[in-house]
Amino acid sequence: KAGVTQTPRYLIKTRGQQVTLSCSPISGHRSVSWYQQTPGQGLQFLFEYFSETQRNKGNFPGRFSGRQFSNSRSEMNVSTLELGDSALYLCASSLSQPSDTQYFGPGTRLTVL
Amino acid sequence: AQKITQTQPGMFVQEKEAVTLDCTYDTSDPSYGLFWYKQPSSGEMIFLIYQGSYDQQNATEGRYSLNFQKARKSANLVISASQLGDSAMYFCAMRGGGSQGNLIFGKGTKLSVKP
Repeated sequence: KAGVTQTPRYLIKTRGQQVTLSCSPISGHRSVSWYQQTPGQGLQFLFEYFSETQRNKGNFPGRFSGRQFSNSRSEMNVSTLELGDSALYLCASSLSQPSDTQYFGPGTRLTVL
Repeated sequence: AQKITQTQPGMFVQEKEAVTLDCTYDTSDPSYGLFWYKQPSSGEMIFLIYQGSYDQQNATEGRYSLNFQKARKSANLVISASQLGDSAMYFCAMRGGGSQGNLIFGKGTKLSVKP
């Protein structure tokens, strides 16, 4: 069974631009969560989507948004990029319940110049 | 508030020896889950092992075992017979409280296996 895939793997943007990251979950998984990893703040939860609805949300500004499609694929969008948004963005998929184990993708490394 | 603490920023172990990575947690929820993930330099987080708060026995997955001491709120990862490929960052994580499934991570331990 294929794992979680994320595209693109690397991205370079400039301040003020916006970016969209994509995540395809493991087949049969209906929940997708997004995390941001930085050297300073570590791993932080952004949001979780299940059945095309945001089920849970972390403490990030409104510039960070996401959505989920009917095939469970998810996208996250960051508008008006700031230098501090440079990070590894990790997507994780799980079956359906909040208690299910999350399996991570390889991440998208975003650099904001 | 829930919190995960990993006090070892870095550790060295000789190949073929066992190593224990420490993790303590804090939560007021009676039901919770504890996870360990491995992150090689490539960046992908690899799930290793899971322990539920009501599990009577310590979890085991191949060379990985979790030393779960509920009263001390610790969930240490034991890797037996270390291999060079075990060199990576290791993160302890806890599932959020109530119906929230988001993971709360510790700061990680960088394990280096010496030949």
